Amino acid sequence: GAGVSQSPRYKVAKRGQDVALRCDPISGHVSLFWYQQALGQGPEFLTYFQNEAQLDKSGLPSDRFFAERPEGSVSTLKIQRTQQEDSAVYLCASSLLGWDRLKNTEAFFGQGTRLTVV
Amino acid sequence: GENVEQHPSTLSVQEGDSAVIKCTYSDSASNYFPWYKQELGKRPQLIIDIRSNVGEKKDQRIAVTLNKTAKHFSLHITETQPEDSAVYFCAAPSPQTGANNLFFGTGTRLTVIP
Repeated sequence: GAGVSQSPRYKVAKRGQDVALRCDPISGHVSLFWYQQALGQGPEFLTYFQNEAQLDKSGLPSDRFFAERPEGSVSTLKIQRTQQEDSAVYLCASSLLGWDRLKNTEAFFGQGTRLTVV
Repeated sequence: GENVEQHPSTLSVQEGDSAVIKCTYSDSASNYFPWYKQELGKRPQLIIDIRSNVGEKKDQRIAVTLNKTAKHFSLHITETQPEDSAVYFCAAPSPQTGANNLFFGTGTRLTVIP
């Protein structure tokens, strides 16, 4: 498909379990973002990639969260030793261009992965 | 990073009336202000955006205004319809962090009453 694809759509994890969430951005998109959206809240920034470089990871809530984009396309968000407060929808977005203050372009979102930690 | 505040958190209007949602931002270097619409269980989708070199932009029933001096921007929806009911998010980048990431407001749940 032409859009941003995320998998799985739903994930139930037992507390303490590790999870890996996948994002396939739109082909050719340079920028990739991960957001965490709690119920009834706006998306909260987690991390940003420009190609394979992770330029900003200031939003990652703890060292249990790790993201990578090794070949500058598919990205994986890994959460180790999940806790109940990690329950949320994890959204991935991509945009065509990299950082250029004159050329911000539309960020396209995936459908998200709903993570429930029990 | 950027601090984006959005008001109101909920808004109910009669069908056909107008709706206005307001956002403020903190990073004076921000230059791009998108608005996203998110229907229940679906992904956020861009509905309109504005860049800092213009003060207003319209697209049919939707308009966005920007006041860079005051660091606020607003979404205006005229002749509202039931299908406009959704959660709307404003966003702004934080260029000073050296990245193109967007910071979102907390959202406004708009309900259009038929």
